[in-house]
Amino acid sequence: EADIYQTPRYLVIGTGKKITLECSQTMGHDKMYWYQQDPGMELHLIHYSYGVNSTEKGDLSSESTVSRIRTEHFPLTLESARPSHTSQYLCASSLGGFLRIDEQFFGPGTRLTVL
Amino acid sequence: QKEVEQNSGPLSVPEGAIASLNCTYSDRGSQSFFWYRQYSGKSPELIMSIYSNGDKEDGRFTAQLNKASQYVSLLIRDSQPSDSATYLCAVNTGGFKTIFGAGTRLFVKA
Repeated sequence: EADIYQTPRYLVIGTGKKITLECSQTMGHDKMYWYQQDPGMELHLIHYSYGVNSTEKGDLSSESTVSRIRTEHFPLTLESARPSHTSQYLCASSLGGFLRIDEQFFGPGTRLTVL
Repeated sequence: QKEVEQNSGPLSVPEGAIASLNCTYSDRGSQSFFWYRQYSGKSPELIMSIYSNGDKEDGRFTAQLNKASQYVSLLIRDSQPSDSATYLCAVNTGGFKTIFGAGTRLFVKA
């Protein structure tokens, strides 16, 4: 069973608030990812990281930012939440490395509602 | 053309039948192929990975890869109602990027 955790699991917040979604993994994986997914819709990659101090934007334009100061931790921050940010946010990790093992393991997700 | 294409379904099969899920991809340099299962309201769960042409079996699941045809499939034998979910095909091109398909919804009727 994958050891990847996300908190909070559910968040309802007002417009304009700053929020941070937490993601941690205990598998020592190099690569970490943030996806956004609306109900019944596709996964959209919004951020990824190859390792410590590496962060890149994904395919979907996002007003969020991420940091990777420790291997196990990859938080996502929204400086000013808006109703358009309402969605499910999924964190994932993969081993990466020379063999490029890219089997991704997903956390349980954070369901964000911005009023 | 999408990089990874799947029929959105729904695919409906009776309990005990074989469910066949298909996926095509556009990048001939793709190296790694994955199938994920996602139950409604839950996060995706890896069920199979395949890296070379041919078949790979794991319990009731068989992944099939044909790189010449740029085609990967997932067969589920003896389908159960608990197999009802959305199945995501994912393809890695050998660099960083793994592309997910939009998924095929499967319903297994009891």
